[in-house]
Amino acid sequence: SQQGEEDPQALSIQEGENATMNCSYKTSINNLQWYRQNSGRGLVHLILIRSNEREKHSGRLRVTLDTSKKSSSLLITASRAADTASYFCGSNTGNQFYFGTGTSLTVIP
Amino acid sequence: EAGVAQSPRYKIIEKRQSVAFWCNPISGHATLYWYQQILGQGPKLLIQFQNNGVVDDSQLPKDRFSAERLKGVDSTLKIQPAKLEDSAVYLCASSPRTSPQTQYFGPGTRLLVL
Repeated sequence: SQQGEEDPQALSIQEGENATMNCSYKTSINNLQWYRQNSGRGLVHLILIRSNEREKHSGRLRVTLDTSKKSSSLLITASRAADTASYFCGSNTGNQFYFGTGTSLTVIP
Repeated sequence: EAGVAQSPRYKIIEKRQSVAFWCNPISGHATLYWYQQILGQGPKLLIQFQNNGVVDDSQLPKDRFSAERLKGVDSTLKIQPAKLEDSAVYLCASSPRTSPQTQYFGPGTRLLVL
């Protein structure tokens, strides 16, 4: 089974609102990454957070990591229609890399 | 800088036929990955190369799937014979030595097995 599970599976919001998606993983990690995938395209790396970090920012993105709960969240602030995509967390255990099941985000203009 | 190139973009075959996918990573990237992404799911790592050596192929169905990385650059992934459940998008990614944690993905090859 996959290492990561994400929720919600699908999220629909109005442009300008914030979007929050969560990721849970099973085993200890070296780092956790978030990727974005537009329909019919490959994945694009968004942000990496190391296991000794608790929060990280990049532009409109904010990622948190709680290693005690084996979970992470991705917050996209002031969403835009162009943010419509699927978002995946990827957990790096040092030996292997696993992607979660993904959250499909729709931002309505 | 050119991105990860993959070909073909689409392939339709009948079950029990063979198929091969090609990937050209970003120049200088030492690590190359092949993923299988079934519709509605996250990508599943099939095989990881470091230069031309295999780092991890634990999830590669070796009875039908094979992969090689020629001279540590281009790579091919082959399925022989294909099954219906192999219908998926096959993604290739590469990562540089300077930032080995960050993967750069190609557009993928969409395979349909009839």
